[in-house]
Amino acid sequence: GQQVMQIPQYQHVQEGEDFTTYCNSSTTLSNIQWYKQRPGGHPVFLIQLVKSGEVKKQKRLTFQFGEAKKNSSLHITATQTTDVGTYFCAGSGFQGAQKLVFGQGTRLTINP
Amino acid sequence: GAGVSQSPSNKVTEKGKDVELRCDPISGHTALYWYRQSLGQGLEFLIYFQGNSAPDKSGLPSDRFSAERTGGSVSTLTIQRTQQEDSAVYLCASSPYRGRTGELFFGEGSRLTVL
Repeated sequence: GQQVMQIPQYQHVQEGEDFTTYCNSSTTLSNIQWYKQRPGGHPVFLIQLVKSGEVKKQKRLTFQFGEAKKNSSLHITATQTTDVGTYFCAGSGFQGAQKLVFGQGTRLTINP
Repeated sequence: GAGVSQSPSNKVTEKGKDVELRCDPISGHTALYWYRQSLGQGLEFLIYFQGNSAPDKSGLPSDRFSAERTGGSVSTLTIQRTQQEDSAVYLCASSPYRGRTGELFFGEGSRLTVL
């Protein structure tokens, strides 16, 4: 089926350390989105990447879309306790469909 | 309203009963999604509505699940003869589709517990 694989499933870091989560699809995506879900909350949109090789930054967050449009990453520099939550990637364009399929998410916990 | 509204926020039902979950999307959003999230898990795609097109029902886990969207606005997800494995948070999201998949705005979810 249409799947977006995300690793790692869990990541625990010390405050101030960097964090990266990776997303892979077996098929080419038309675009990829990233969401953050705080504990007890609902997913909130972070960013959308559309172009091959695209890199976007939001303060300490850097998002990349691979050249083949099959993988993506989110990197957080110098984590802070406010970064705690689960980060999801979501891809669309499987077989031309517009539906958005989510990865399993990476749960980030931080030791202050 | 200002955001996506879902009701009920919590529903406890007995195995075998039918349940209806309602989603009121952001006005003007043409795309509407239903996802299911079990405790500590990811978002499982259920169904996608886009404008007047036929819905993408490819994620519905069984024929006990159905959804409709009336007038291009409010959507109802119905689960018939509920089973314990149906227990989860059901999330609705709407999106201002503009030629391609856009940002999803999620509701707070409906937590379903089947006893």
